[in-house]
Amino acid sequence: GAVVSQHPSWVICKSGTSVKIECRSLDFQATTMFWYRQFPKQSLMLMATSNEGSKATYEQGVEKDKFLINHASLTLSTLTVTSAHPEDSSFYICSARVPLSSYEQYFGPGTRLTVT
Amino acid sequence: AQKVTQAQTEISVVEKEDVTLDCVYETRDTTYYLFWYKQPPSGELVFLIRRNSFDEQNEISGRYSWNFQKSTSSFNFTITASQVVDSAVYFCALRLSGSRLTFGEGTQLTVNP
Repeated sequence: GAVVSQHPSWVICKSGTSVKIECRSLDFQATTMFWYRQFPKQSLMLMATSNEGSKATYEQGVEKDKFLINHASLTLSTLTVTSAHPEDSSFYICSARVPLSSYEQYFGPGTRLTVT
Repeated sequence: AQKVTQAQTEISVVEKEDVTLDCVYETRDTTYYLFWYKQPPSGELVFLIRRNSFDEQNEISGRYSWNFQKSTSSFNFTITASQVVDSAVYFCALRLSGSRLTFGEGTQLTVNP
């Protein structure tokens, strides 16, 4: 149980275009999902916390107009990187909190974004 | 504020050697949870263990063992008889009473045949 998927697993896009990444909880309903970014050889940095039916809470320094997060259902959160630039190239990982589980998070497999 | 420090950036060992990965954490809260995750080259995080602040018992799972010491704010991870498949980046993480996870910088472990 507690499986989280991400789509796509990797994507290459041109500078200036937008890219949408999906995060799904497959066998449970997740009221809260998290989005992390990981640059090569670095740690995971929390970008934002996504709550179903409400606006996401962004970490300091993360541009909310650039990284649009939508959590429209209990099993799906999306991260849209708008007007992507090469410096946005990174590994994006989502996680979902399992309800009634002492706040445990289960991680998706990640999406590697390359902006050319 | 909470912080996790993994002082070892990279460790290289030869297969069958034992290796310990260090993790030191900082928090003023009395209730917290500590985690270890493995991140192989594929990138997917693999959960290894969770330990809450009220349980200082050490744990062993196969070749893996964990030493939690509140007196030194450390939660070290030992792999016994390391194998090539253990090569990965290992992250220690801290969570307080909410959901937010704070990760350490990670330790790249390379096990050579």
